[in-house]
Amino acid sequence: GAGVSQSPSNKVTEKGKDVELRCDPISGHTALYWYRQSLGQGLEFLIYFQGNSAPDKSGLPSDRFSAERTGGSVSTLTIQRTQQEDSAVYLCASSRRRDTYGYTFGSGTRLTVV
Amino acid sequence: RKEVEQDPGPFNVPEGATVAFNCTYSNSASQSFFWYRQDCRKEPKLLMSVYSSGNEDGRFTAQLNRASQYISLLIRDSKLSDSATYLCVVKGNTPLVFGKGTRLSVIA
Repeated sequence: GAGVSQSPSNKVTEKGKDVELRCDPISGHTALYWYRQSLGQGLEFLIYFQGNSAPDKSGLPSDRFSAERTGGSVSTLTIQRTQQEDSAVYLCASSRRRDTYGYTFGSGTRLTVV
Repeated sequence: RKEVEQDPGPFNVPEGATVAFNCTYSNSASQSFFWYRQDCRKEPKLLMSVYSSGNEDGRFTAQLNRASQYISLLIRDSKLSDSATYLCVVKGNTPLVFGKGTRLSVIA
């Protein structure tokens, strides 16, 4: 597609429920990134996929967080047993592997855990 | 020490003013540098890359000082539409590291 597409745009869930967030990167971009941004905070790196390599999971805050990328394209970020501190905007970005022009972000999923 | 540090602001300036933002980074192995712009409740968007020789894009000028690990952004002739948060971004052998941003409000 023309841009990075994320769904849903907003998600309200009850504490303890699992949620899945979806990202569809720009066609031809081999690198895909998940970040999150809490209110008034900077972007926090979560996980990075590059082609068929093992993902860099170093930013995942706990084992309740996981992500996969199927077929080198669409990615799903799953948060199990959501907690209130998981409330944030989850941003997905993609880039060409050796892109010196930075990343292109999707418009994000605003997650609210009540 | 945080990897990327910025003055959070807010910077409140009148239209037509010149404003400068500064940023420092801690990883001397950083290779690429960018300024992103983020409007309220929107995703970050690339404003410009930053090169060692300095670069200009219209009213915007970015400078990099590798020795001091310092990056700057200068905005001349500020417009109301420049009101946003400006994120300093650094890349080494890891995904992009973002500063928390500097908020700019341009006032009529």
